[in-house]
Amino acid sequence: EPEVTQTPSHQVTQMGQEVILRCVPISNHLYFYWYRQILGQKVEFLVSFYNNEISEKSEIFDDQFSVERPDGSNFTLKIRSTKLEDSAMYFCASSESEGLGRETQYFGPGTRLLVL
Amino acid sequence: AQKITQTQPGMFVQEKEAVTLDCTYDTSDPSYGLFWYKQPSSGEMIFLIYQGSYDQQNATEGRYSLNFQKARKSANLVISASQLGDSAMYFCAMREGNWGTYKYIFGTGTRLKVLA
Repeated sequence: EPEVTQTPSHQVTQMGQEVILRCVPISNHLYFYWYRQILGQKVEFLVSFYNNEISEKSEIFDDQFSVERPDGSNFTLKIRSTKLEDSAMYFCASSESEGLGRETQYFGPGTRLLVL
Repeated sequence: AQKITQTQPGMFVQEKEAVTLDCTYDTSDPSYGLFWYKQPSSGEMIFLIYQGSYDQQNATEGRYSLNFQKARKSANLVISASQLGDSAMYFCAMREGNWGTYKYIFGTGTRLKVLA
């Protein structure tokens, strides 16, 4: 069964460093998303991406964040200069479409980011 | 304003019994989707069930069913014949936005513990 994959599973970084989180969405999916979940809290939307551009972003997704689809398979989230409060689980998700019935977002296993 | 409300932070259920996890939502869109995800202690987000706002029937997927009461804006998850492996965090989510700008809004979750 096709699934969303994410690498790395865990990342530890120093404050101020850049990190890149990688995702491979399900192959026939066209819509891609990043969410984050701070430990013990609810899942929060960061950004959606379609047709090689950002469709929607939340107030969390400031200038320190960027997304890219560098090739036909990978979808990346870059945090330019990490802060302590960026420590969270980051989930990538993808969906086939946005039409009702095909809009279900399938999540990857997450990358746990710890900023020291 | 809170768009998705899960009022039960924690629930216990005896193995083999049924349990209902509550979810209420708030939207003025006529077209929306409602989802339930399971998050085990390992952290991944597992899609369980989907209900479209125009669906006439309540969604079912194996032991999961969604008790959709549109007028009351509730979308409760019913798990029948609970198993020990059902112990996890459960999140209700709603698709919000317009075509091309969809995102999920998540509730705060309900932690379910199945007792042997």
